[in-house]
Amino acid sequence: AQSVTQLDSQVPVFEEAPVELRCNYSSSVSVYLFWYVQYPNQGLQLLLKYLSGSTLVKGINGFEAEFNKSQTSFHLRKPSVHISDTAEYFCAVSEGRGSTLGRLYFGRGTQLTVWP
Amino acid sequence: GAVVSQHPSRVICKSGTSVKIECRSLDFQATTMFWYRQFPKQSLMLMATSNEGSKATYEQGVEKDKFLINHASLTLSTLTVTSAHPEDSSFYICSAEARHYGYTFGSGTRLTVV
Repeated sequence: AQSVTQLDSQVPVFEEAPVELRCNYSSSVSVYLFWYVQYPNQGLQLLLKYLSGSTLVKGINGFEAEFNKSQTSFHLRKPSVHISDTAEYFCAVSEGRGSTLGRLYFGRGTQLTVWP
Repeated sequence: GAVVSQHPSRVICKSGTSVKIECRSLDFQATTMFWYRQFPKQSLMLMATSNEGSKATYEQGVEKDKFLINHASLTLSTLTVTSAHPEDSSFYICSAEARHYGYTFGSGTRLTVV
């Protein structure tokens, strides 16, 4: 089974500062990688995903992530955060097989809090 | 884009009653549906995986007789919490998989059992 490690449970940052949310995974096979954002009492919204191709992935709301196979990492970054980015962020991994993406394995989440 | 409609968003029920949660995939066919449970300040815990027309596969420790999952069509999956008790109070989220869309999540259901 996969394991996904989000090293920081909470990340406080001031508005307009850069932020990096870290994610590492354990797998010896090819994986698909995802970052999701969750606002209170809501479902998950996809920020970005890596399936194949360029290792630098750009997502919505100015976020981007870089897939590093040698370090088995998929860190999420944003150069300048806004108050509205305050939310819980989840890194997730799946081991797709054939025509299916398979189940997702989630990290424990990182609470990003942006202060004015 | 792919949308999954989940209802109800909130439900309060009395202990011992059953509650049904519905997830519908709009404008696409969900070959696989995942059901998750989320406790406050925690990650999503996969409860079961269901494929259209077949029995759901439950994760270890999840009572299949308590959490009944039905995936009768490619656009509808339901989770029924039977004989609910206060410890079943939680946030339940469904997710549909479609090859070209990836995973799409419902907006979640906050269940409170009193």
